[in-house]
Amino acid sequence: EDKVVQSPLSLVVHEGDTVTLNCSYEVTNFRSLLWYKQEKKAPTFLFMLTSSGIEKKSGRLSSILDKKELFSILNITATQTGDSAVYLCAGYTSGTYKYIFGTGTRLKVLA
Amino acid sequence: NAGVTQTPKFRILKIGQSMTLQCTQDMNHNYMYWYRQDPGMGLKLIYYSVGAGITDKGEVPNGYNVSRSTTEDFPLRLELAAPSQTSVYFCASSYSGGMANEKLFFGSGTQLSVL
Repeated sequence: EDKVVQSPLSLVVHEGDTVTLNCSYEVTNFRSLLWYKQEKKAPTFLFMLTSSGIEKKSGRLSSILDKKELFSILNITATQTGDSAVYLCAGYTSGTYKYIFGTGTRLKVLA
Repeated sequence: NAGVTQTPKFRILKIGQSMTLQCTQDMNHNYMYWYRQDPGMGLKLIYYSVGAGITDKGEVPNGYNVSRSTTEDFPLRLELAAPSQTSVYFCASSYSGGMANEKLFFGSGTQLSVL
C-alpha cells in the first residue's frame, strides 16, 4: 500500500530558527514529490521534485529529494511568524495518477 | 483566471440528508480529485477522475458518489449524510501533459457539518 510519512508531527520554534521537515515515501511507480503549505484554507504549492539531489529554492525555503533512500526534506531558514502553518508532502504515482498525502507537520513560529 | 471553484463554502446538513458539492475548473485539466480533511489530519482521497466519463475510488469512497460528464465539472454527491462525514472537502485538479508537470491545484474548500 502506498504511503507517505511526515515527521515531526508538530514543531514549535522561535523566530530566526532554522527548521527541517521530513517526508518519507513508499509509492509505487513514483514520479514526483510535492510540498504544500496550508494555513487556514486550501494548500498552496511550494515545490515539486522529480530528480534526486537537485535542490529547489524559493527565498528562505528549500527542498531536496533522495530517490534512493525515498525521502525529501523541506528546510526553512530564518523562520518568521508567517511561516506558521501545516506543511504537507505528497507522492505522485504515474501508475494510478494519484497523489498520496502525508498527515502534515504543524509548524508554529513564536515571536 | 478562476482556477478551481468549489461551492458551497459552508454547509450544515441533518443526518440522512443528501447534497452535492460542486467543483469546476477552467484550466482544461483532465485529472480531478476530491479529498476530505479531518481536523489535524492530512488529505484523504475520496474519488478521482482521469477524464470525462472515467472515475475511480480513492481511500475513503464509502458514502459518496461522483460523476464526470464534462472535463470542467466533477461534482461529489453525499447520500444519507452521517456525522462521520463532517469534514473539510477539497476539490483539486492537475494536467497530465507529461514532462513531470503534476502540480496539483486546489479549490478553496467546503466546510461541511452533519448534525
